[in-house]
Amino acid sequence: AQKVTQAQTEISVVEKEDVTLDCVYETRDTTYYLFWYKQPPSGELVFLIRRNSFDEQNEISGRYSWNFQKSTSSFNFTITASQVVDSAVYFCALSEANNAGNMLTFGGGTRLMVKP
Amino acid sequence: DSGVTQTPKHLITATGQRVTLRCSPRSGDLSVYWYQQSLDQGLQFLIQYYNGEERAKGNILERFSAQQFPDLHSELNLSSLELGDSALYFCASSAAAKHYGYTFGSGTRLTVV
Repeated sequence: AQKVTQAQTEISVVEKEDVTLDCVYETRDTTYYLFWYKQPPSGELVFLIRRNSFDEQNEISGRYSWNFQKSTSSFNFTITASQVVDSAVYFCALSEANNAGNMLTFGGGTRLMVKP
Repeated sequence: DSGVTQTPKHLITATGQRVTLRCSPRSGDLSVYWYQQSLDQGLQFLIQYYNGEERAKGNILERFSAQQFPDLHSELNLSSLELGDSALYFCASSAAAKHYGYTFGSGTRLTVV
């Protein structure tokens, strides 16, 4: 069965600090997909990134970067020079290729608070 | 605007009642998904439709049902509502049936009183 664990329920940082959100997953499939979503206070879920299990290259998009390590089943997310607008709940999710459909299993989320 | 439209945005209803949540997917997307977000259960997958057919089912209660119509919009019907059904219900859509991230709508907040 697939499972995603985000051990950090809440993180508080001061603006301009770097912060890393941890994500650990469990799956028996060799082919799977990992995602990060952002849920700002307004409530919508915003897609940030999708990564397949065969691509372990780290990715950087502006102040955001992702570190995928199959050896530790982790897909961590780092925000560099955090800003108040980064305050949100961040969800890591997993989709197994052998699923009949495209179900995402979400972690419990990490609430990030960036203080000015 | 994500392109996925959910109506209504807010709904308050009494226990025992039935409600219908509506979702219009992004133009061109054939898959529609429903998720429930509650404080105790987190984000839970309910059901997926692809081009009108049920594709995958999660922990959807028997009191809940969904369908996808020929114009690809979807409805989630919740009946015999209980206090514990109060949650944020998200619809999402994607172009394919598998292996893609979705675009979520802004959700319908259901409050059962």
